[in-house]
Amino acid sequence: QKEVEQNSGPLSVPEGAIASLNCTYSDRGSQSFFWYRQYSGKSPELIMFIYSNGDKEDGRFTAQLNKASQYVSLLIRDSQPSDSATYLCAVSYNNNDMRFGAGTRLTVKP
Amino acid sequence: GAGVSQSPRYKVAKRGQDVALRCDPISGHVSLFWYQQALGQGPEFLTYFQNEAQLDKSGLPSDRFFAERPEGSVSTLKIQRTQQEDSAVYLCASSLGQYSNQPQHFGDGTRLSIL
Repeated sequence: QKEVEQNSGPLSVPEGAIASLNCTYSDRGSQSFFWYRQYSGKSPELIMFIYSNGDKEDGRFTAQLNKASQYVSLLIRDSQPSDSATYLCAVSYNNNDMRFGAGTRLTVKP
Repeated sequence: GAGVSQSPRYKVAKRGQDVALRCDPISGHVSLFWYQQALGQGPEFLTYFQNEAQLDKSGLPSDRFFAERPEGSVSTLKIQRTQQEDSAVYLCASSLGQYSNQPQHFGDGTRLSIL
């Protein structure tokens, strides 16, 4: 069974702080990793994707991948209230199969 | 450019009715995916098309669910004899390449409520 696990939260951080979101996956054959942001009642929106071990930075967002430990994380620097949403981790197995975690709900308090 | 478009946005049907949900992917996108998302959960894979070919339908929960993409563009997800457990948001996503290892772009979804 290919599982993607996330802490459901809610994760609450003050405005300006770093929010750290974590995701673990069960299948070592996983190839591609994605973070989506989903506002309530809206569709998932792609934030970051990462294929290789290490860090990938895009503005205030950094994705970190550690294949040996089978985890991928998302760091949000200088968190803003507008970052309050559910963050979905998705893992692809290089075919037609993409699995999503249940999501972590993030609240950034002004 | 236009994103993934889904219609209707909301659908209410009585138990036992048939429903059809439409997805218009981003122009030129080869891959099209359907997902079902229950409240508080992540999207669950239903089926995958590469152009007009339905290459994976392993996620369809029963034979009441049927999807097609006859010309390799617009896709329709049909649910026959709807049940209350079919109530969910149905998301469509498309991607440029052939495999799910590429970023997928989602439509706004159809929220289906079965009474």
